[in-house]
Amino acid sequence: AQKITQTQPGMFVQEKEAVTLDCTYDTSDPSYGLFWYKQPSSGEMIFLIYQGSYDQQNATEGRYSLNFQKARKSANLVISASQLGDSAMYFCAMREGLLNNAGNMLTFGGGTRLMVKP
Amino acid sequence: NAGVTQTPKFRVLKTGQSMTLLCAQDMNHEYMYWYRQDPGMGLRLIHYSVGEGTTAKGEVPDGYNVSRLKKQNFLLGLESAAPSQTSVYFCASSYSATLGGLDFGNGTRLTVT
Repeated sequence: AQKITQTQPGMFVQEKEAVTLDCTYDTSDPSYGLFWYKQPSSGEMIFLIYQGSYDQQNATEGRYSLNFQKARKSANLVISASQLGDSAMYFCAMREGLLNNAGNMLTFGGGTRLMVKP
Repeated sequence: NAGVTQTPKFRVLKTGQSMTLLCAQDMNHEYMYWYRQDPGMGLRLIHYSVGEGTTAKGEVPDGYNVSRLKKQNFLLGLESAAPSQTSVYFCASSYSATLGGLDFGNGTRLTVT
């Protein structure tokens, strides 16, 4: 089974509107972390936001927020007030095994391409 | 403030040739990783290292070897390149196994003909 599933291969959003990118995950580990990365057309991977499985509140970073629904195993990224520069690929990723210090390995989803329309 | 630096940025190989990708980080991070990204897909872990002198296999290790002789460097080798290894390769590092995220290099685009 896929550990990280992003069901939206591509999405359009109008500039200045909000958009939600979906991410569901599968793990039996009680201690895990969830990440979102942005990959613009230039190719670099840019860290956006992090949510720990024990965090009580949803993570926020500027215009980015993470809608964490633990029981549903979903960690959707919400981008408010979209800008043209938000056009990029977005990847959801998970880190398991936080208690065994085995290494900070991330498992990535297949990504969602977001296109912001002027 | 270099962060994670990958060399080369681009490379074209013929089937059967060998090459080494170099990753260098100047943040004194313990952990380093090599990922590959194929078109339309997320990143998959090839090998990783939890400290100088250590290496371990990730999700897709076949056809690759790695070495971490110095803490700041993590080398990825292809002994006999195959067209299936055409991909973009990302190196990353982190200071902790459980805290924070990964710092990525800018990637190496490898084409094997």
